[in-house]
Amino acid sequence: GENVEQHPSTLSVQEGDSAVIKCTYSDSASNYFPWYKQELGKRPQLIIDIRSNVGEKKDQRIAVTLNKTAKHFSLHITETQPEDSAVYFCARGDSSYKLIFGSGTRLLVRP
Amino acid sequence: NAGVMQNPRHLVRRRGQEARLRCSPMKGHSHVYWYRQLPEEGLKFMVYLQKENIIDESGMPKERFSAEFPKEGPSILRIQQVVRGDSAAYFCASSPPSGAPGELFFGEGSRLTVL
Repeated sequence: GENVEQHPSTLSVQEGDSAVIKCTYSDSASNYFPWYKQELGKRPQLIIDIRSNVGEKKDQRIAVTLNKTAKHFSLHITETQPEDSAVYFCARGDSSYKLIFGSGTRLLVRP
Repeated sequence: NAGVMQNPRHLVRRRGQEARLRCSPMKGHSHVYWYRQLPEEGLKFMVYLQKENIIDESGMPKERFSAEFPKEGPSILRIQQVVRGDSAAYFCASSPPSGAPGELFFGEGSRLTVL
């Protein structure tokens, strides 16, 4: 189907530690995999994305990895800071243009 | 360049009334998407529209919900005869015309409360 499974649903880490969130999908037509961050009461905002012809992408403390064979992709946040606390959503896209989102991961970074 | 504009930001309706939510996409964007977010839950796709066309409405409930994106003016999500279960945040997003899927730019959302 077109759904995306996201784990874990909640994640608590100590400031400075790393956080990893994983998503899996089943539709082989998927070719675009963005990650959005949503702070409480705010709109979702793109933080990083990757296309199917790339295995890894990094932007400062944030990285995304994609395994097309296994149909999973992951968000890695290093050196976490309290301001990283938010809900993170993975999503998948294909030629239909719409994005299908995972159920979200609530990340808490403890000072 | 103004972002995606949604109004109203908050809307309170009694059961049985109609809710009308508006969305103006970013300048130059011709694709509009509506998503619903229940409290403490994810973003559920509802409908994808281009000017004067509904492209994909596979996420829309079959009754009471409708959407349009006219040639002139904002996109409208209309909910008739609202029920308590319709209480949610409704997010609109837009994207430019493109040959490939890409970033969706979200508005701040319209939060509907049904009493």
